[in-house]
Amino acid sequence: DVQLTQSPSSLSASVGDRVTITCQASQEINKYLNWYQQRPGKAPQLLIYDAANLQKGVPSRFSGSGYGSKFTFTINSLQPEDIATYYCQQYEILPLTFGGGTKVEIK
Amino acid sequence: EVQLVESGGGVIHPGGSLRLSCVGSGFIFSNTAMNWVRQAPGKGLEWISSVSSSGGITYFADSVKGRFTISRDNSANTLYLQMTTLRAEDTGLYYCAKAMGAVAGWHPFDMWGQGTRVTVSS
Repeated sequence: DVQLTQSPSSLSASVGDRVTITCQASQEINKYLNWYQQRPGKAPQLLIYDAANLQKGVPSRFSGSGYGSKFTFTINSLQPEDIATYYCQQYEILPLTFGGGTKVEIK
Repeated sequence: EVQLVESGGGVIHPGGSLRLSCVGSGFIFSNTAMNWVRQAPGKGLEWISSVSSSGGITYFADSVKGRFTISRDNSANTLYLQMTTLRAEDTGLYYCAKAMGAVAGWHPFDMWGQGTRVTVSS
C-alpha cells in the first residue's frame, strides 16, 4: 500500500499567515494526489486535484504542487474559515489511501 | 445542485449486518463512479470501496474485503454498501463520495454526502 505521510500533524498560525503542509508518498504516484479540507463536524471537500489543479469554487488562496513522491499544499493568507483538518489522498495505486491529516488552528 | 444523502446507519451487534444507501441527485448518476469512505471516531479518513459507473467493476480495502459488498441501482440513483460480519473496528461515520469520472478508483472525489453513523457494539 502507498503510505502518505503528512507533516506537520497540526499547526497554529495567525490570520494572514502563509501555511504549508507536505505529503510524502512511500512510492511514486506521478501527479495523482488530491487535497481535501474537513471542517469540524462536516464532510470533506475537495480543494486540489492532480497535485496542482484548483477545484471549481475553491478560493485561489489554496494551491498545491509536487510530482512523484513529494507534494506541498499551501494556504496563502490564512482565514478564520480555514480552520479544518486537511488530508492528502493518492489514487495512482489501489488501495486508495489518505494521509493522516493536518489540523490547522488559528493562533 | 449536486447532493448525496446517506442512510441506513445505526447500532448493531458484532457479527451483524447492515445495508447503507446513498441517493444522488443533481448529476448524471449512471455516468459516475461512486465510493464509500469511513471515519472512525476522532480518526482520519479510510477508503473502503469503489464501484464503476455501470456497477461492473468493484474494489475493496483489505479491511472489508469478503465482508462488504458495494452495488448500485442506476435507475434509482442509489448506491449501496452491504456490510456483514460487522466488527467493533467498523464503527464510524460512513460517507459516500462521487467520483469525477466513470472509472472506479481512478478519479478524485468531488462531492461527499454528510455521512451515516454505524456503531458496532454489544
